[in-house]
Amino acid sequence: NAGVTQTPKFQVLKTGQSMTLQCAQDMNHNSMYWYRQDPGMGLRLIYYSASEGTTDKGEVPNGYNVSRLNKREFSLRLESAAPSQTSVYFCASTSRAQVRNQPQHFGDGTRLSIL
Amino acid sequence: GNSVTQMEGPVTLSEEAFLTINCTYTATGYPSLFWYVQYPGEGLQLLLKATKADDKGSNKGFEATYRKETTSFHLEKGSVQVSDSAVYFCALKYEGNEKLTFGTGTRLTIIP
Repeated sequence: NAGVTQTPKFQVLKTGQSMTLQCAQDMNHNSMYWYRQDPGMGLRLIYYSASEGTTDKGEVPNGYNVSRLNKREFSLRLESAAPSQTSVYFCASTSRAQVRNQPQHFGDGTRLSIL
Repeated sequence: GNSVTQMEGPVTLSEEAFLTINCTYTATGYPSLFWYVQYPGEGLQLLLKATKADDKGSNKGFEATYRKETTSFHLEKGSVQVSDSAVYFCALKYEGNEKLTFGTGTRLTIIP
């Protein structure tokens, strides 16, 4: 029962370095999401993918890129990390995203610090 | 636009106390409402949900009732345990919209 798996769990980067956060789900879900969680701000959507081959911007996309590699995998890339991107990043997935009673399933998060 | 407002935290209670975490929403139409829980060091887990007015969601002793007249979905538990210490998020979702709208979260600490 792996669900949504994120790697790595922790990472420290220097300003200007690049990095890719990996996410994979084994539930055959169509839709996948990337969020960031900051104190006092809840979860903010960065990007989402409604299906394989499609991606759309969320609330806070600047400084990030994504790739929906296949149905299982959805990666988030920071091309030039900035201290403002220090956060906890969560990946989520759901089966029928447009059905209102369908919940999202979350990974355990990646804790990223930018020095 | 749609929004979710949760009571400010942190909330600290003694074991076996009664818990209420307030959640109100601003939206048109008929969203589904959710409570998620995040235990320390983990991701969010669905705690309960309700999909229409007067529905009651329940799980692990927690309950919340969808009140359309007051646009609220308050989370309650009759007797909390130390293991309930976590951050709780209220969220809503509309049919045809692929996104969840989250509240800012309420941190709950239960002391023995």
